[in-house]
This record gives sequence, C-alpha cells and structure tokens, in this order.
Amino acid sequence: DSGVTQTPKHLITATGQRVTLRCSPRSGDLSVYWYQQSLDQGLQFLIQYYNGEERAKGNILERFSAQQFPDLHSELNLSSLELGDSALYFCASSASPVDTQYFGPGTRLTVL
Amino acid sequence: DQQVKQNSPSLSVQEGRISILNCDYTNSMFDYFLWYKKYPAEGPTFLISISSIKDKNEDGRFTVFLNKSAKHLSLHIVPSQPGDSAVYFCAASARNAGNMLTFGGGTRLMVKP
Repeated sequence: DSGVTQTPKHLITATGQRVTLRCSPRSGDLSVYWYQQSLDQGLQFLIQYYNGEERAKGNILERFSAQQFPDLHSELNLSSLELGDSALYFCASSASPVDTQYFGPGTRLTVL
Repeated sequence: DQQVKQNSPSLSVQEGRISILNCDYTNSMFDYFLWYKKYPAEGPTFLISISSIKDKNEDGRFTVFLNKSAKHLSLHIVPSQPGDSAVYFCAASARNAGNMLTFGGGTRLMVKP
C-alpha cells in the first residue's frame, strides 16, 4: 500500500458525459501527478500540481482539467468523453517536485 | 518518438537465477531513473531508483546499473523468486524540468519455480 488513495476504483459511463476522479496523496506529500495508461499509448504523464499550483503539463487534452485543493487532494475532470478516453488513470504523489513518485491503485474508466 | 524504450516485451527466468531487465533512453536531460513493478489492475509500485551522478544502486535483491555514455540502464534481480513475476517499467525524469516520468513500454517477467 503506497498510501495514495484513488476513488472510484471503476467508472463506467457513456460518450459525451463528464466524470471526476479523485486522489488523496500520501500524508505529507505536496506534489500530485496524474497519468493515463491506455493499451496503445502506455503510461503517459498528464499534469502535475505542487501545493495547489499547476507545475507541469503533459499531453493533456483540452477536455481534461485538474486541480489540487487546499487539503492537497486532487481531482481530474474529464468531459465530453469519447470511446478513446477509456483507460486506467493513475495518481502519484511525492514529497516535493523532485522526489520519487508513489502511485495509487488507479481508476479504470470505461466509456461506452 | 519513444524517449524511453524497453526492447524486450517479456523475459522468462528460472527461480533462483538472475533476471536482467534492460532499458534505453535518448533524452540527455534525464537525470533520475526509476524502476516500477506492476501487477494487473494495480498501480505501479516503486522498486529502486538511481541518480545520474551514480552508476550503481543496490537495495536487497535489486540492483540498478546506469551507463550514461550508452544511455542504458538495467535492473538485476538476484535471486529471482516466483513472486517477482510482474510487469516491470523503467521510467526517467528531468527533475529540474518538472519531474514528470517518461515510461518505457514495460517488460513482463515470468519466474518459473
């Protein structure tokens, strides 16, 4: 158990819908990262927050957004969902922006 | 372009023998390298890391070697155990440029009893 929690574990929704994935970092970690794992693209970095501020962005679609709240939990919002958004979404956290990242168990999103 | 590559999709090893997993990278800005182990439907579990200022790091049965001139790293597991069977991902980051991890495609390790 890495100490990073993610909810929900599974999510099934329809195309065009909007969902919110939630992540709570390890106790004391200030940095949160979101990654997507799809069958054809492997594990890809989406976005990073540090102490509430966006710090780095990867190939995150404009339909996706995220934020980190004052209690340091983070949410990833996915809107106008398409079939290709079906994937595993992982959250990771680290003590600082340069430390080792520890991953949560992931949320499996299925878009029908 | 794939900046981190694991050229062997799978590896089969006998219990008790050495497992060697390889990883190549192309980006000279990477200064931190990690290995993660992953089971299906679970998140990656951190195993071991190495900074670019070192060429070897050891933690129990796991040793990571870094050859900067060849842009190559490897993970050695000695002795291999059936419980080591999983997918292993190599990852790299440039810590002064965001620390986002770039992952290889993974190598499935099977350790036979």
